[in-house]
Amino acid sequence: EVQLVESGGGLVKPGGSLRLSCAASGFTFSSYSMNWVRQAPGKGLEWVSSISTSTTNYIYYADSVKGRFTISRDNAKNSLYLQMNSLRVEDTAVYYCARDSGPITMIVETDFWGQGTLVTVSS
Amino acid sequence: QLVLTQSPSASASLGASVKLTCTLSSGHSTYTIAWHQQQPEKGPRYLLKVNSNGSHNKGDGIPDRFSGSSSGAERYLTISSLQSEDEADYYCQTWGTGIKVFGGGTKLTVL
Repeated sequence: EVQLVESGGGLVKPGGSLRLSCAASGFTFSSYSMNWVRQAPGKGLEWVSSISTSTTNYIYYADSVKGRFTISRDNAKNSLYLQMNSLRVEDTAVYYCARDSGPITMIVETDFWGQGTLVTVSS
Repeated sequence: QLVLTQSPSASASLGASVKLTCTLSSGHSTYTIAWHQQQPEKGPRYLLKVNSNGSHNKGDGIPDRFSGSSSGAERYLTISSLQSEDEADYYCQTWGTGIKVFGGGTKLTVL
């Protein structure tokens, strides 16, 4: 059974940093591109960042987080990460880890989601 | 600019059918899209993808009541024999050169 379990969310002050993790199981993690998608309270889904498999190493960011967030993966640990720096109030959201259906992120759909972890940025 | 447009809300009666629409922005009418369902207080779930020919591929375990189709720049999700658990938010998604995009979502109410 495919499972994606996010962790690392919490309350942080504006300007602070947080690192999210996503533990993957039930599939060959190294063969799939991965994503972070967020959802602000009461709002819709917003794509944050994507990373292809290590062999292709393509990384992409939404303009709203470019230069502040860094996506990475550790295939040996079956884990996806999101390092979030210079956090803003508007970054408050549930952050979802999501798997794509293949190894190259920008040509395939997202086909599996985690349950999310809440990040609250507030003073 | 790659944009997906969805109606904010839709409603239909228990046991009936409903067709949700996702419209691709000008110049992107050939793009494939994916449909995702988000039930209240849950993470999203992938339903199916629909290409410009109207053919669709469903995710594992998705009931036959869910189907996809297309016409021009519009992509559709049809849900037949509506059940109470189909009351949810439905999002379309597409992808392009260095970007992924979600529609604003349609809140489906089952009457």
